[in-house]
Amino acid sequence: GAGVSQSPRYKVAKRGQDVALRCDPISGHVSLFWYQQALGQGPEFLTYFQNEAQLDKSGLPSDRFFAERPEGSVSTLKIQRTQQEDSAVYLCASSLSPGQGLTNYGYTFGSGTRLTVV
Amino acid sequence: DQQVKQNSPSLSVQEGRISILNCDYTNSMFDYFLWYKKYPAEGPTFLISISSIKDKNEDGRFTVFLNKSAKHLSLHIVPSQPGDSAVYFCAARGGGKLIFGQGTELSVKP
Repeated sequence: GAGVSQSPRYKVAKRGQDVALRCDPISGHVSLFWYQQALGQGPEFLTYFQNEAQLDKSGLPSDRFFAERPEGSVSTLKIQRTQQEDSAVYLCASSLSPGQGLTNYGYTFGSGTRLTVV
Repeated sequence: DQQVKQNSPSLSVQEGRISILNCDYTNSMFDYFLWYKKYPAEGPTFLISISSIKDKNEDGRFTVFLNKSAKHLSLHIVPSQPGDSAVYFCAARGGGKLIFGQGTELSVKP
């Protein structure tokens, strides 16, 4: 597609439920990032993939968070046993190559998935 | 420990005047800085970037200034237009990832 697609757009989960958030990056984009944005805050880094390799997962807040990109395209962020503090917008971004994201085009972000844990 | 800070949560400017959005950072190892614009219910959209070896980059109505000694960057929008009303985030690259500030909500009044 023309942009980064994220689904679902909205997700309401009961505390303790597992959720899976999907990101379809722009076709051919090598780099893929997941960010978490709490209300009134800037996006915070969660994890980074280059193709199918997860090169950095230092931002994942706990072992309840898991991300994968098995074929180097679609990525899934999974949160197990959701807690209220997991409520946030989860943003996915992709770029053609690690360096290209920094110059004229930046990273392309999806519209995000708003997760509400009740 | 906030490595990238935007100390003004909001800014209101008259149409046609200059908007100046500010950002401070603490890590001198950041090598690129970017500005993003965000409308409600949409993802951030890239605006402009600057390498740490430069002090100015211009693209149409948008200019970014970098003062490395002060660890400060700013985004100038001139002239401001009502369509510029949005939340603006500055971001810095460190360790291969982008670190964002908290955002500044710009309101441009007709």
